[in-house]
Amino acid sequence: QVQLQEAGPGLVKPSETLSLTCTVSGDSVNSRSYYWSWIRQPPGKGLEWIGYMYDSGSSNYNPSLQSRVTMSLDTSANRFSLKLNSVTAADTAVYYCAASPAFYYFDYWGQGALVTVSS
Amino acid sequence: DNQMTQSPSSVSASVGDRVTITCRASQHISTGLAWYQQKPGKAPKLLMHSASTLMSGVPSRFSGSGSGTDFTLTISSLQPEDFATYSCQQAGSFPRTFGQGTKLEI
Repeated sequence: QVQLQEAGPGLVKPSETLSLTCTVSGDSVNSRSYYWSWIRQPPGKGLEWIGYMYDSGSSNYNPSLQSRVTMSLDTSANRFSLKLNSVTAADTAVYYCAASPAFYYFDYWGQGALVTVSS
Repeated sequence: DNQMTQSPSSVSASVGDRVTITCRASQHISTGLAWYQQKPGKAPKLLMHSASTLMSGVPSRFSGSGSGTDFTLTISSLQPEDFATYSCQQAGSFPRTFGQGTKLEI
């Protein structure tokens, strides 16, 4: 069974870049067994899919965030990462990493990381 | 984007009650729908996919139905551990989108 753990700063200043990593155990990030996604949830609001990585050469992002998002895989550390640039207060949310055997549903989730955007 | 609308946004019920939550997609998604359960401070948990297929270990009091644009999640006899927020997610179009959630309260 796949297990996921997010890590990264809990506070980011406006206009700067939010960076998070998700460490995977139970499988390899380049095994092509899972789509590795980021999903966020602003306080008191619904969930929003941000994007996925499938392997080092394959990614797909939500068009609403595409201009500000970069995702990557780090096979040596068996983790994947999220970078979201030019953040504003609207990007304040709990950020989850998730894994899907096929890109339909999100079977496995990390515990979530709260990121607050504030000066 | 395929907008997912849940109703009600919150519902109060008692242990033993039968509860139904609905989810409507703005575009046809066949049976490409999942339901998640989320407790405070925790990650969502996948309960059901393909509109009606329960994940392993999910109690049979949970059931789902629907196709096209209209879907329901039913809990036949509420247990104390069922009080949580339930969200739907469509898998029929890109990008994947979620409903705003339905909070099930005692």
